[in-house]
Amino acid sequence: AAGVIQSPRHLIKEKRETATLKCYPIPRHDTVYWYQQGPGQDPQFLISFYEKMQSDKGSIPDRFSAQQFSDYHSELNMSSLELGDSALYFCASSPRRQGAISPSTDTQYFGPGTRLTVL
Amino acid sequence: KQEVTQIPAALSVPEGENLVLNCSFTDSAIYNLQWFRQDPGKGLTSLLLIQSSQREQTSGRLNASLDKSSGRSTLYIAASQPGDSATYLCAVGWGNLIFGKGTKLSVKP
Repeated sequence: AAGVIQSPRHLIKEKRETATLKCYPIPRHDTVYWYQQGPGQDPQFLISFYEKMQSDKGSIPDRFSAQQFSDYHSELNMSSLELGDSALYFCASSPRRQGAISPSTDTQYFGPGTRLTVL
Repeated sequence: KQEVTQIPAALSVPEGENLVLNCSFTDSAIYNLQWFRQDPGKGLTSLLLIQSSQREQTSGRLNASLDKSSGRSTLYIAASQPGDSATYLCAVGWGNLIFGKGTKLSVKP
């Protein structure tokens, strides 16, 4: 079965550089979530998109932005990187619920993550 | 603000033992509770999803229960195996998930 695809899997950047992480949801999933997991920490919700619109926002720094495109893939853009941004970044997707008018609250399927290291 | 707590933080059991992992949450107005497994440095694998109208879900050797009134969920693992060794996370939410810090399980052969 198709899974959530994230690229790149590993990324090394210098402080103050920018990074772009990509997420390709499972086919026919229209809701995408981004989470950040620091070393030894639990995942923290950053932002979500439903039908290409931002649906919810968590603890996402102003230096980060994200969007969902017409093919439902999503990109997380991170600027002015700091050492503390080093973490695993997960993308998750949820399937469309028939007749739903609000973002999915169904099972979230997580991708393998992108490990970002800021030096 | 929703807070999710998992007890114990770590658990070591001999192979074959049945075990229970606990998850508690402070706000019972949840929509979903989801249990995940995470291997070191890896992604999150969804194990079970319990919606707020449900009391339990089963998948193979796993059974998860939900008691919203008491703000608790348990994950029961029957006949544990060394391959079950991982960190188990529970998460609750309305869409975006709030995670507990996990229980690190080690099953000894």
